Amino acid sequence: EPEVTQTPSHQVTQMGQEVILRCVPISNHLYFYWYRQILGQKVEFLVSFYNNEISEKSEIFDDQFSVERPDGSNFTLKIRSTKLEDSAMYFCASMGVWGQETQYFGPGTRLLVL
Amino acid sequence: DQQVKQNSPSLSVQEGRISILNCDYTNSMFDYFLWYKKYPAEGPTFLISISSIKDKNEDGRFTVFLNKSAKHLSLHIVPSQPGDSAVYFCAASAGAGGTSYGKLTFGQGTILTVHP
Repeated sequence: EPEVTQTPSHQVTQMGQEVILRCVPISNHLYFYWYRQILGQKVEFLVSFYNNEISEKSEIFDDQFSVERPDGSNFTLKIRSTKLEDSAMYFCASMGVWGQETQYFGPGTRLLVL
Repeated sequence: DQQVKQNSPSLSVQEGRISILNCDYTNSMFDYFLWYKKYPAEGPTFLISISSIKDKNEDGRFTVFLNKSAKHLSLHIVPSQPGDSAVYFCAASAGAGGTSYGKLTFGQGTILTVHP
């Protein structure tokens, strides 16, 4: 069964460093998302991406964040200068077509900023 | 942001009995609702969904009920099994016809424990 994959599973970084989280969505999906979950809190929407551009972003997704689909398979989230409060689980999700509105999530990347 | 609320942080049920997990929402633009199951250190796994044009959707042991007038949905698991023990999240989106491009708003989650 097709699934969303994410790498790395864990990332430890120093405050101020750049990190890139990678995702491979399900191959025929068209809509891509990043969410995060800070320990003990809700899963929060960060950004949605369709047709090679951001379609919606949350207040969390400030200028330090960017997304890219550099080729036909990968979808990346970059945090330019990490802060302590960026420590969280980051989940990538993808959705097939409009009208089949189920999002399928990857296993997540645990990011720890020291 | 309390647009989706799961008021019960935890639920404990005996194996074989029914588990009922509840979810309330406030945004009347939501028209698609999903339940996800999540184990620690894993991503949410899709369980079942329902469109606002329906009031019930069933898939094996899982049934979701939607009461639009009350802005309430529930997930019934019958019979409950120990392997169902996990965190259950409800999520909502203002889907097709809206402008949110499928953004999901999640509840806080309910920890379900099914005892053998």
